[in-house]
Amino acid sequence: NAGVMQNPRHLVRRRGQEARLRCSPMKGHSHVYWYRQLPEEGLKFMVYLQKENIIDESGMPKERFSAEFPKEGPSILRIQQVVRGDSAAYFCASSPRSPKGETQYFGPGTRLLVL
Amino acid sequence: AQSVAQPEDQVNVAEGNPLTVKCTYSVSGNPYLFWYVQYPNRGLQFLLKYITGDNLVKGSYGFEAEFNKSQTSFHLKKPSALVSDSALYFCAVTLGGRGGADGLTFGKGTHLIIQP
Repeated sequence: NAGVMQNPRHLVRRRGQEARLRCSPMKGHSHVYWYRQLPEEGLKFMVYLQKENIIDESGMPKERFSAEFPKEGPSILRIQQVVRGDSAAYFCASSPRSPKGETQYFGPGTRLLVL
Repeated sequence: AQSVAQPEDQVNVAEGNPLTVKCTYSVSGNPYLFWYVQYPNRGLQFLLKYITGDNLVKGSYGFEAEFNKSQTSFHLKKPSALVSDSALYFCAVTLGGRGGADGLTFGKGTHLIIQP
């Protein structure tokens, strides 16, 4: 049973470029969460999605960041016009049902470096 | 707002000794509490959680945690540490029941170092 998959594992972008991070949840999971981990910090919640719906985006920066989870295919976190402060590890997690009390299973992360 | 505090950046324990990694939380209601472990350049692995019921929760790899409502704590423990337990440990909380946030709120993490 494959776990949560994320790709790419490492991504290097220059300032002003776009970054696309992909997340495939565990089989049978229809709930996806994105978190950001800055150096020496804990994870910060960004967004929670179900298939085709954004449920909670209270942690998403207001500009340049967007997320989707289409009916078919992986969830995508998109960062437009990246800046150096976007350099971080981005983790995706999934759960089979609504998050209250459900365990979120994490992927290996995508480490974004903005030059 | 909910928050988690892990007061120790690093905990050093000799192999074979008991270990404790501390966590306190703040939520305006009933908490759901979690412990995760992160190895270098890896994702987070789930260890255990408290939702309701017995205050002592047993999890993976011999770890356990005790929910203490009066002290708002959820300390992680293991009776006998292994060198392979050395990693970064995160405590997380979310507000249980309706109306709570969907995402987990994490502490900053505690580096656990087990010395041979």
